[in-house]
Amino acid sequence: NAGVTQTPKFRVLKTGQSMTLLCAQDMNHEYMYWYRQDPGMGLRLIHYSVGEGTTAKGEVPDGYNVSRLKKQNFLLGLESAAPSQTSVYFCASRSPLGGRGNQPQHFGDGTRLSIL
Amino acid sequence: ELKVEQNPLFLSMQEGKNYTIYCNYSTTSDRLYWYRQDPGKSLESLFVLLSNGAVKQEGRLMASLDTKARLSTLHITAAVHDLSATYFCAVDIGSARQLTFGSGTQLTVLP
Repeated sequence: NAGVTQTPKFRVLKTGQSMTLLCAQDMNHEYMYWYRQDPGMGLRLIHYSVGEGTTAKGEVPDGYNVSRLKKQNFLLGLESAAPSQTSVYFCASRSPLGGRGNQPQHFGDGTRLSIL
Repeated sequence: ELKVEQNPLFLSMQEGKNYTIYCNYSTTSDRLYWYRQDPGKSLESLFVLLSNGAVKQEGRLMASLDTKARLSTLHITAAVHDLSATYFCAVDIGSARQLTFGSGTQLTVLP
């Protein structure tokens, strides 16, 4: 059982380049999330999704786009990377309230992204 | 806007000592989580607290939740080096159960 898998694990980009981070979960979770973690700070929510075909903005959505075309996948895109987007990106998933909803969010291993 | 504050942010303690990490939050919620993060690693779930007065214990760690005071504590008993890590609390209030995290407490246990 792989849980939450993020690809790539590391990436270096130049300012203005674009890229997509992929998150895949095999737990049949409805809800998926993208967070970023910066030094000395907790995780901050970028975007989230409550089901296939739905997305919503979190606390820090500017400069990012997301898509959830399949239930198991949640993609995070940077259209024009900026140095301020240098961070560690974590994907997470969970079930709605009730039943398995008492379980915590499950996190991937993270993607370390540097923008030069 | 939900605010989650942890203190202390940095904690050095000697092996064998006891200490408590505090997590205050600004909006009513009865769902709070504690996570552990080792350097360069992902977040590992420690405790899930789902009601007022909830208390959970695992080894040398014990977590509690007081929803009326909007306060959770993580108590460390007789610390050992293996507990060195960053500890985060997170509150879940949204309809999509998104988490708002504290800034984390970086714990170093010294021999």
